[in-house]
Amino acid sequence: NAGVTQTPKFQVLKTGQSMTLQCAQDMNHEYMSWYRQDPGMGLRLIHYSVGAGITDQGEVPNGYNVSRSTTEDFPLRLLSAAPSQTSVYFCASSYSPGTLSGNTIYFGEGSWLTVV
Amino acid sequence: AQTVTQSQPEMSVQEAETVTLSCTYDTSESDYYLFWYKQPPSRQMILVIRQEAYKQQNATENRFSVNFQKAAKSFSLKISDSQLGDAAMYFCAYRSAQYEKLTFGTGTRLTIIP
Repeated sequence: NAGVTQTPKFQVLKTGQSMTLQCAQDMNHEYMSWYRQDPGMGLRLIHYSVGAGITDQGEVPNGYNVSRSTTEDFPLRLLSAAPSQTSVYFCASSYSPGTLSGNTIYFGEGSWLTVV
Repeated sequence: AQTVTQSQPEMSVQEAETVTLSCTYDTSESDYYLFWYKQPPSRQMILVIRQEAYKQQNATENRFSVNFQKAAKSFSLKISDSQLGDAAMYFCAYRSAQYEKLTFGTGTRLTIIP
């Protein structure tokens, strides 16, 4: 059981470059989300999705795009990387919160992104 | 909007002793979930314990237990018989039963003194 898989684990980008952080889950979860973790800030929600074809913005969405074409995958795109996007990124998934199983959230292992 | 506050940036405890980490939250909702996550240096997010707001009984998981005070909007984590492996960042988190967003506190760094 792979759970939530994030790739790449480490990435260095130059300012202005674009890239995609991949996230896949094999638990048939409806809900998927992306967070960023900065020192002293905890985890902040970037974007989330409640199902294939449905996405919405979180707390800090600027500079990021997402799409959800399948239940399993939820990629995060940086269109033009900036040093302020240097952070650790986490993907998470769960069943919908209204279900009995919805209160267990599974996290990927994180992706370290440095923008120089 | 919901907020989660962890007022202790750092805590330390002697090995085998008990420590309590504090968390308060603000919400107007009546149905929600609360969590404590552990983050070791590897940065992996590990669920320690969770509490459903509709349950009056405090959750326990082995050496970990919570003191959930719904009226006071307080959700503290007690770690008994602290072990070296408990050293980590601990995050308190809130999730609405209706909405999907998970809101985190800023974390408490726990150090275990041998």
